Amino acid sequence: DIQLTQSPSTLSSSVGDRVTITCRASQSFSSWLAWYQQKPGKAPKLLIYKASILEDGVPSRFSGSGSGTEFTLTISSLQPDDFATYYCQQYNPYSLTFGPGTKVDIK
Amino acid sequence: QVHLRQSGAEVKKPGASVKVSCQASGYIFTTQGISWVRQAPGQGLEWMGWIGPYNGDTHSAQNFQGRVTMTTDTSTSTAYLELRTLRFDDTAVYFCARMRNGGLDVWGQGATVTV
Repeated sequence: DIQLTQSPSTLSSSVGDRVTITCRASQSFSSWLAWYQQKPGKAPKLLIYKASILEDGVPSRFSGSGSGTEFTLTISSLQPDDFATYYCQQYNPYSLTFGPGTKVDIK
Repeated sequence: QVHLRQSGAEVKKPGASVKVSCQASGYIFTTQGISWVRQAPGQGLEWMGWIGPYNGDTHSAQNFQGRVTMTTDTSTSTAYLELRTLRFDDTAVYFCARMRNGGLDVWGQGATVTV
């Protein structure tokens, strides 16, 4: 099974900051990678799928990139609503795996 | 509007089984797979398995093989997750989610299971 790691595990940032989260895979795979935002007590929300495609309704300050074993989620200008935990997730035809998460909190 | 509505909270004793339901609305149920994901208190997301409502095909994570059963009832657009031989560390929120383009685009509200 493909294992995912995320860095950093916690990110202290301020409103307006550019934020980048990295997701690394234990082996190369096709770009079936998604990113989610989760707030306490809520279900995760899909932000990005297929590594770089923005889900409908997600603000354009979110973007995704990468291929192979390294993928990134970038928030171009952090907004108050963006303080949350972010997870990457890979998909192959028979299984999914989530990364351990990156918590973005207020500096 | 696409919506997944899950059953309510459950409290179970160790060794028992639990069955969580997930009723879909707003789309054709048989066109997309349903995944099950759980989240223990203060922990990350753990994928448990998925089922294709169109043919009932299932794939479960290695951690749960032999202990989990996923089914669907296409007449009511409902997916079910049964977890057997519950342990204390099965205490978690259990989510269902629709699979699309390699991601999970619509999520249920979650069902809390306490062992």
